[in-house]
Amino acid sequence: DTGVSQDPRHKITKRGQNVTFRCDPISEHNRLYWYRQTLGQGPEFLTYFQNEAQLEKSRLLSDRFSAERPKGSFSTLEIQRTEQGDSAMYLCASSLTRQLMNTEAFFGQGTRLTVV
Amino acid sequence: KQEVTQIPAALSVPEGENLVLNCSFTDSAIYNLQWFRQDPGKGLTSLLLIQSSQREQTSGRLNASLDKSSGRSTLYIAASQPGDSATYLCARTSGTYKYIFGTGTRLKVLA
Repeated sequence: DTGVSQDPRHKITKRGQNVTFRCDPISEHNRLYWYRQTLGQGPEFLTYFQNEAQLEKSRLLSDRFSAERPKGSFSTLEIQRTEQGDSAMYLCASSLTRQLMNTEAFFGQGTRLTVV
Repeated sequence: KQEVTQIPAALSVPEGENLVLNCSFTDSAIYNLQWFRQDPGKGLTSLLLIQSSQREQTSGRLNASLDKSSGRSTLYIAASQPGDSATYLCARTSGTYKYIFGTGTRLKVLA
């Protein structure tokens, strides 16, 4: 296992189009997180999953955003009717939680979205 | 509001200097404090994780400490090298397990 994998690495789309990103976490990790990062800022939390259950969503996640983790393995993040303000780096991370202890989180290389 | 603050925002030092990056947080009920490195246009690379029962962690030239009572963590980099140039981010987790990040410190080490 080579770590957290994200696809695509870059996406350019026209305003109003839908886009979908994929994240493959480290195989034994039960937690999966999505973050968004704009230039010069730290990553902002969007949502996270424990196995297939989506446990928390940020208020940043408007109804145009939806995330799934259907079998508790890979996850997808879809943005509908993209807007220029959606342009950002979308980061995925995974970690292993055992007995209420959260271990080290590992991040993927991100998907850079540009909405034109 | 649960905030994480990093000071300084940017730092430029000559090669070989020892340096300290600071991270402060408002919620003392943290579970983990993790330091990351980010190169331009790339994802985050984990450097050190300090769990709530620990006070520090070391890896090579890096040492991170955690003082929950004062709401601070520091990342110490010994004998800095040009290859250390990057943005350094700290993040904490609390009861919800999500990571809350600071805005980072942009480090430039001059050869």
